[in-house]
Amino acid sequence: EIVLTQSPGTLSLSPGERATLSCRASQSVSSSYLAWYQQKPGQAPRLLIYGASSRATGIPDRFSGSGSGTDFTLTISRLEPEDFAVYYCQQYGSSPPTFGPGTKVDIK
Amino acid sequence: QVQLQESGPGLVKPSGTLSLTCAVSGGSISSSNWWSWVRQPPGKGLEWIGEIYHSGSTNYNPSLKSRVTISVDKSKNQFSLKLSSVTAADTAVYYCARSEIVVVIPGAFDIWGQGTMVTVSS
Repeated sequence: EIVLTQSPGTLSLSPGERATLSCRASQSVSSSYLAWYQQKPGQAPRLLIYGASSRATGIPDRFSGSGSGTDFTLTISRLEPEDFAVYYCQQYGSSPPTFGPGTKVDIK
Repeated sequence: QVQLQESGPGLVKPSGTLSLTCAVSGGSISSSNWWSWVRQPPGKGLEWIGEIYHSGSTNYNPSLKSRVTISVDKSKNQFSLKLSSVTAADTAVYYCARSEIVVVIPGAFDIWGQGTMVTVSS
């Protein structure tokens, strides 16, 4: 199975700052089938990005995804108070689909 | 819009069988989607358990395959999870989720249920 590694484990930033989250795969992710999710405490994950760079319905344009092969990035251009959460990457190009361990974005 | 709702016992005894159901509302389970179960132990990350198509075709995580059965009931517009021989390591929030077909494979999980906590304890 494809193992995903996310860095950093925790990112401490202030509202208005730019956040850059990394996801690295143990082998190439087929057709850039890479997604990003946001999860807040007590809530289900919410799909932000699919296909490495396409925003899901209703997701603000401050969220953007990039990358291909084994290296992917989620960028939040200007952090809003509601963006402080845990972010997971997930590959669905090969079975079983797998998730990264998550990056927590907290308030500095 | 499509909504998912998990239901089932919140407490299961060790060595018993965990059984959960996911009701689909606002849409048909017979649409071109795969329907999955994903779990999250307390304070930990997400693990995909398996998926089913309305035809009954299934795929399971190899790490759980020997203990998992996922089934679909089209008449009730729902699908179910059974996980046998449970231990404390199976304690988690269990989510059901939908993925649309991308070309020919399941895509990302675009709709999630709210999740249900299942504790394995005597």
